[in-house]
Amino acid sequence: DAKTTQPTSMDCAEGRAANLPCNHSTISGNEYVYWYRQIHSQGPQYIIHGLKNNETNEMASLIITEDRKSSTLILPHATLRDTAVYYCIVRVAGDKIIFGKGTRLHILP
Amino acid sequence: EAGVTQSPTHLIKTRGQQATLRCSPISGHTSVYWYQQALGLGLQFLLWYDEGEERNRGNFPPRFSGRQFPNYSSELNVNALELEDSALYLCASSSGLRRSGNTIYFGEGSWLTVV
Repeated sequence: DAKTTQPTSMDCAEGRAANLPCNHSTISGNEYVYWYRQIHSQGPQYIIHGLKNNETNEMASLIITEDRKSSTLILPHATLRDTAVYYCIVRVAGDKIIFGKGTRLHILP
Repeated sequence: EAGVTQSPTHLIKTRGQQATLRCSPISGHTSVYWYQQALGLGLQFLLWYDEGEERNRGNFPPRFSGRQFPNYSSELNVNALELEDSALYLCASSSGLRRSGNTIYFGEGSWLTVV
């Protein structure tokens, strides 16, 4: 079973920041938080991951709370192409991924 | 650098037949993972190979099998096809158990239709 809880769906206006929350209250000390997204019927796309510290790359920022029980993925300027299902995953390095249901993000024009 | 590549893109088979799907991992990656995504359903873990060995298997019947070759490419075989096997089959790869920072990257999938 997936170890994360995410809202089923969210809306965000184009050009605004999209903030996607994820709860992982049972995360272990050696588990990373990973985010992927799946645009309709394509392969999941890796976005970002982190262990304790906040992380930023060209796609997004990942904010992890100090107790590591929750995190937020931030897409700084959402576009219509960001419409997708976003998956938050906790994973020990080297292990497989178990997907949950994810959050369906709708970007509104 | 090429990503994870899968073939064929689409495959149509008749119930009872066998299907073989192929996957080439990212160069340097030794782990290959297979997932099934039936229409409208979630991504279900199928199989994981690392350095030629099966590391883990999801909750699928034995007619789902696979192997990993010495060059780390992989095949997924589905025997005695059933209509419910119609799905997108996704392959992914990572740098494997022996390396740190081993993010998993996915291919674009193979669509299997069973008629």
